[in-house]
Amino acid sequence: NAGVTQTPKFQVLKTGQSMTLQCAQDMNHNSMYWYRQDPGMGLRLIYYSASEGTTDKGEVPNGYNVSRLNKREFSLRLESAAPSQTSVYFCASRSSGGFNEQFFGPGTRLTVL
Amino acid sequence: AQSVSQHNHHVILSEAASLELGCNYSYGGTVNLFWYVQYPGQHLQLLLKYFSGDPLVKGIKGFEAEFIKSKFSFNLRKPSVQWSDTAEYFCAVNARGRDDKIIFGKGTRLHILP
Repeated sequence: NAGVTQTPKFQVLKTGQSMTLQCAQDMNHNSMYWYRQDPGMGLRLIYYSASEGTTDKGEVPNGYNVSRLNKREFSLRLESAAPSQTSVYFCASRSSGGFNEQFFGPGTRLTVL
Repeated sequence: AQSVSQHNHHVILSEAASLELGCNYSYGGTVNLFWYVQYPGQHLQLLLKYFSGDPLVKGIKGFEAEFIKSKFSFNLRKPSVQWSDTAEYFCAVNARGRDDKIIFGKGTRLHILP
């Protein structure tokens, strides 16, 4: 039982390049999330998906797109990376039901030059 | 929309001192509340959560939190901290029954002096 996995662990991009961050969970959770973590800013929600086939914007969605490929996988795409997107990105999942906690992946450290 | 405010950005304590970290949320309806911890170099782990019942919630590693509805607060406490509690602590809120968003505060970085 791997929990929540993310790939890659580290990535360096040049301004304008695109890339996709992958996230998968094996806990049969309905809900999945993407956050970015920046010093002094805490975790900010980018997008979330309450169930397969649905996605919703979070607090900071601009510059990102997401795909809920199936129940297990939730990817985050940067179409044209900018230095302001340098951050650590965390994926999380949880069972339906507001009282259930999230389980987090190990994170992807992204640097945009 | 819901939001979370953590008052202390950086706290330094000596071992055995008592700890209280503040968390206030803004949302007029019913909420689910969480405290997570992030040890250096690791991802977030749940410390405790509240969704109903006894407003005093006990979590792992001796932590507890009290939900005070009238103050929109969910402060985290520990009677006697240890060096191993050095970490960053995050409060989070979910607006129950509204959507599946979970919004985090900016975090409190706790440093325990040995």
